[in-house]
Amino acid sequence: QSALTQPASVSGSPGQSITISCTGTSSDVGGYNYVSWYQQHPGKAPKLMIYDVSKRPSGVSNRFSGSKSGNTASLTISGLQAEDEAAYYCSSYTSSSTWVFGGGTKLTVL
Amino acid sequence: QVQLQESGPGLVKPSETLSLTCAVSGYSISSGYYWGWIRQPPGKGLEWIGSIYYSGSTYYNPSLKSRVTISVDTSKNQFFLKLSSVTAADTAVYYCARHVRIVGYSDAFDIWGQGTLVTVSS
Repeated sequence: QSALTQPASVSGSPGQSITISCTGTSSDVGGYNYVSWYQQHPGKAPKLMIYDVSKRPSGVSNRFSGSKSGNTASLTISGLQAEDEAAYYCSSYTSSSTWVFGGGTKLTVL
Repeated sequence: QVQLQESGPGLVKPSETLSLTCAVSGYSISSGYYWGWIRQPPGKGLEWIGSIYYSGSTYYNPSLKSRVTISVDTSKNQFFLKLSSVTAADTAVYYCARHVRIVGYSDAFDIWGQGTLVTVSS
């Protein structure tokens, strides 16, 4: 199974909004509403930020939102803060009853 | 609250079998949900290894399936990973995670362990 495609890096200034894309196929992202997003700070375990495309777990800031169009899912972070600087990974269920992650995107807050 | 903790040898020799344990606290494995293993080579991205239901039903990454065995012991509230015939390419931080998979409703890895680094080297 191929990894989902994410940009290697994105950047933004404090207060701005950024969007990270996650592109798959009709067999994964496009076929199911089971896309999730994880935030990972250096040396730390990943943390669930968005699940089922657009749902936020309890305790996650409403500055984080998710959406999907066709085979591409997106994570948007509004009102960027320094603490948002981290790596972000998307994940999707697939038609083979497996799960696949994206390659990861490093967010830099300028 | 629910916590997961990985344990096992930090160094494994090439061709041998990597064995890890994930101890779950704050939640009974037999109450439901799946339980998964994910790994991350140094400086690289996440790779799903496999997931197991409390009853023992498993799903594996096709690229690792021939070498992976995931099992569960509900009496100890633990689940396990075995990866055979390891090479340097298997060097990674290994994470265990609760896999909330409700068919037709929801799917995510919602709680993760802190991870454990396993190095494959002679």
